[in-house]
Amino acid sequence: GAGVSQTPSNKVTEKGKYVELRCDPISGHTALYWYRQSLGQGPEFLIYFQGTGAADDSGLPNDRFFAVRPEGSVSTLKIQRTERGDSAMYLCASSASRTSQGGELFFGEGSRLTVL
Amino acid sequence: AQSVTQLGSHVSVSEGALVLLRCNYSSSVPPYLFWYVQYPNQGLQLLLKYTSAATLVKGINGFEAEFKKSETSFHLTKPSAHMSDAAEYFCAVTNGGNTDKLIFGTGTRLQVFP
Repeated sequence: GAGVSQTPSNKVTEKGKYVELRCDPISGHTALYWYRQSLGQGPEFLIYFQGTGAADDSGLPNDRFFAVRPEGSVSTLKIQRTERGDSAMYLCASSASRTSQGGELFFGEGSRLTVL
Repeated sequence: AQSVTQLGSHVSVSEGALVLLRCNYSSSVPPYLFWYVQYPNQGLQLLLKYTSAATLVKGINGFEAEFKKSETSFHLTKPSAHMSDAAEYFCAVTNGGNTDKLIFGTGTRLQVFP
């Protein structure tokens, strides 16, 4: 069966540009997470959705970052006015049950963003 | 707020030697704890998890971890390392409360020498 799919796998952009990263979760998974991973660091929580709504967006670093999941399936992470410091691997994960009840996250292979 | 600390960003062992990767957690309520592994050019995958049942948890590929509340630890072990175990290992915690936010440690890179 298909796993979590993230596109593009690699994105190079210029400072100040707008970027969208897409995540297609495992079918039927109600929870969807976005993480950011810089070189040599662990995944840093950004936001997670339960269905269509953002259940916790406390990890979004500032108002340039926004994420949506309009139909409760595919999600898009949007970054406005990109900065060089936004360069990182952006990870998406989905889950069929709550991590607070021991649910497992299934990760995609990530979208590597490079801001020149 | 919950957090995890992984001591040792790099661990090197010989093939066949014991693997020990350390994880200490901080949580105001009983935690749920996870170990994930990231092989080169692959996504993270779950190795094992502790969810308040047995304190000794067995996972895939011969790994296991023991939850020790008195030491606030959840160290990962494997009796005999294989070359294929070379990867990045991440400990993660959620506090089982109203949030499903999973917090990861900074990771430990395991190298296995022949």
